[in-house]
Parts: sequence; structure tokens; C-alpha cells
Amino acid sequence: EADIYQTPRYLVIGTGKKITLECSQTMGHDKMYWYQQDPGMELHLIHYSYGVNSTEKGDLSSESTVSRIRTEHFPLTLESARPSHTSQYLCASSEKAPSGSGETQYFGPGTRLLVL
Amino acid sequence: KNQVEQSPQSLIILEGKNCTLQCNYTVSPFSNLRWYKQDTGRGPVSLTIMTFSENTKSNGRYTATLDADTKQSSLHITASQLSDSASYICVVSDRGSTLGRLYFGRGTQLTVWP
Repeated sequence: EADIYQTPRYLVIGTGKKITLECSQTMGHDKMYWYQQDPGMELHLIHYSYGVNSTEKGDLSSESTVSRIRTEHFPLTLESARPSHTSQYLCASSEKAPSGSGETQYFGPGTRLLVL
Repeated sequence: KNQVEQSPQSLIILEGKNCTLQCNYTVSPFSNLRWYKQDTGRGPVSLTIMTFSENTKSNGRYTATLDADTKQSSLHITASQLSDSASYICVVSDRGSTLGRLYFGRGTQLTVWP
């Protein structure tokens, strides 16, 4: 089992609140990712990082922001939560696989967010 | 447009039976294809990974096949168990960027009944 953790696992919050979803990994991986997943739908990349002080936006437009001050920590922040942000948020990190076979991503358990 | 399509969308089988899940993709260029298992309320866990030159890969009761010519993959589950109930996601990676962009299917929701 991968050593990647997310907190909280579940969060119910009112519109307009600021929230931070935590993600930590103890595997020393440089690359980390945030995905958004709605029920029955594919994962969408919203942010990624190649290492400390490196962050990029993913494919899905998101009003969230991320930071990468330490290798092991990649928090995601919503400054003002809205009902449209209700979703599952998955954090992942990756390591280089054996030559030619790409990278393997390890996923955290996810945070289920409900914005009322 | 790069896409990954999975079928069926959902599947119910009895414990002990075999099943096969399908994945068709249009991702190009192609680097590798992974199958992930995602239990309800959990993050995906990698089952197999195959590159262009590999056409079959096994992991216990899970056997994945890849036909890079027809851009199809399948995941065969043998002697299903209740714990196999999960969503199975096909993920294809391209070689077009340093990120090795991943394209996710929507998954097949498998339910195994006793």
C-alpha cells in the first residue's frame, strides 16, 4: 500500500468558506498531482507539481490553488467554496518506473467534499 | 481527440465466475496502458502496466492484454471474489510531453454477488 495520505476524508462546508485539503507522501516522490473525480466519471487533472516551488495547472479549469513548499506536502486550497466544488479530490504522487514503462502513480484515499 | 472508452459501464457477476472488461483508446502517440482498481471511497491502485511491446501481463487473478494495432486492451478476472467489487479504470499515457500525459477512462463498475 502506498504511503500517501489525505485529510480530511470527508468535509461538509458552507458556501463561501475557505478550505484546505491536505496531502502528504512519505515516499520521497518529486511529482505530485491533484485530480477531481465525480461519480461515474473519469479523473480530471487540476494541478501538478514537479518538485518544491514548482506548480502547474492541469487540464480542468479549477478555482483552487496549490503550493509545494516541502517535497512531501502538496495542499490544495479553495478560497471561497461553492456548491459546484462538490466532488471527490484525489491526490497522487509518482516515481519513475523501470526504463520504458513510464511512471506509476500512487493515489491517496481521497477527500469527499460537499459544499452546501 | 485523445480518448479512452471503457465497456461495459457496469457489470454484475456471481462469485467464482470469470469476466472480461474492455478498453478502447485513441491516444497517440502511445506510451503505456495501465489498469487500476478503485474501491468505493478509496483512491485507484495500479494492477498492471503494459508498454507498446507487451501484449499480456498478469497480476494474480488479473490478466491484461494489449493490442496496440487495434488500440484495444482487456482485463480478464478469473474466479471472481467478493473483494473484486470495485471500479476498474483504464489509463493510457502518451509520449507527447515531459509529463507523460494520462488519459483516464470512466471505469467499469464491477459488482460480484455471492
